This record gives sequence, C-alpha cells and structure tokens, in this order.
Amino acid sequence: AQSVTQLDSHVSVSEGTPVLLRCNYSSSYSPSLFWYVQHPNKGLQLLLKYTSAATLVKGINGFEAEFKKSETSFHLTKPSAHMSDAAEYFCVVSVPGSSNTGKLIFGQGTTLQVKP
Amino acid sequence: EAQVTQNPRYLITVTGKKLTVTCSQNMNHEYMSWYRQDPGLGLRQIYYSMNVEVTDKGDVPEGYKVSRKEKRNFPLILESPSPNQTSLYFCASTKTGGWSEQYFGPGTRLTVT
Repeated sequence: AQSVTQLDSHVSVSEGTPVLLRCNYSSSYSPSLFWYVQHPNKGLQLLLKYTSAATLVKGINGFEAEFKKSETSFHLTKPSAHMSDAAEYFCVVSVPGSSNTGKLIFGQGTTLQVKP
Repeated sequence: EAQVTQNPRYLITVTGKKLTVTCSQNMNHEYMSWYRQDPGLGLRQIYYSMNVEVTDKGDVPEGYKVSRKEKRNFPLILESPSPNQTSLYFCASTKTGGWSEQYFGPGTRLTVT
C-alpha cells in the first residue's frame, strides 16, 4: 500500500535561513511524488513534482526536492526563507494505476512559520 | 484564465438539510475529484470522475453523492448532512490522471450544526 509521512507537523525558521520539510513515502512501485503549497484561505498549488526523471527536482519560488530511493524520502528544501513562504505544505504520492483515477495520497501537512 | 471555481465558499447549515456544492473548470480536463481537508489528516479523496457519466468512490464517500453530466461541472451533493461532515472541501481537476498537476479550487468551508 502507498503512504506518505511528513515528519514534522510544524517548522519554524527565521527569514533568510534554510528551509527543510521532510517527507518519507512508502510505495510498492516507482512513485510519482509531489509537493503542494497551501497559503492561508487559498487552494493548493503545485510546487514541484518527481516522475522518474532527474532525482533533483526544481520547483517554483526557489524550492527544490531530492528523490532518494534508498531512503524513501522526498524532502523539500529552500536555501533562504522568505516571509511569503509561510504556508502549509503537503507531500503527495500518486497511487499506481492512478492514471485512470487521478488519485493521490496526501501527507498530513507541515505548517511553515517564517519569523522576521 | 485557467481555473477551478467552487460555490459557495462558506456555508453553514443544519443537520439533514440537503445541500449542493458546485464545481466548474474551464480547462477541458477529463478528470475531476472532490477532497475534504481535516486538521492532521491532510486531504482525503471523496469521489472522482474520469469523464462524463463516469464516477467512482474515493477513500471517504459515505454521505456524499456526485454527478458528472457535463465535462466542466462536478457538483458534490450532501443529501442529509451531519456534523461529522463539517470540513473544508476542495474540488480539483487534472488533464491526464494521477501523475499530472492537479488544479484546485479555492475551497468551500462547510459547517453542519
């Protein structure tokens, strides 16, 4: 069965310092993995996705994530946090066969707080 | 502008009073889904649709109905809402299935008293 675990429910950083949001996944197949961001009172927006091409994936707003199969991880990073990065972040895995369903498994979410 | 719209954005209702949340997309996407978001649980899929007249249950379908009579619209129906359906609901559409980007609506916050 597929699952995804976000290891921190809340992360707090100072503006200008690095961001690390951790995600581990479980999948019997080669997964497709995503990070989505949800700003307050907004819908979800795709940050980046991994679909078995390059293991280091670059996304929008300076975020990137590295797929590590040996560690079953897909951690999200950014070198320097900005106040506008404060939001909730979801790690997401696609379900095999989901080409016909559009079905995704969401992690529990990590709230990123950025302090001035 | 490519978008998914939902209405209403906020709704307070009473137990047992039927309600419908509308969802519409203008991207000609074939796949549409409904999710509910609850604290600490992330998003869970309620129903999905692969095309007109083709729908199927997601992980938490109990108490919900959907229909897909037109490609662009995918309404969510609560025939007899209960307090445990108080949640934040998102509609999403995607072009080609699970590996492609999902476009989410702005959400509907439902409170059932």
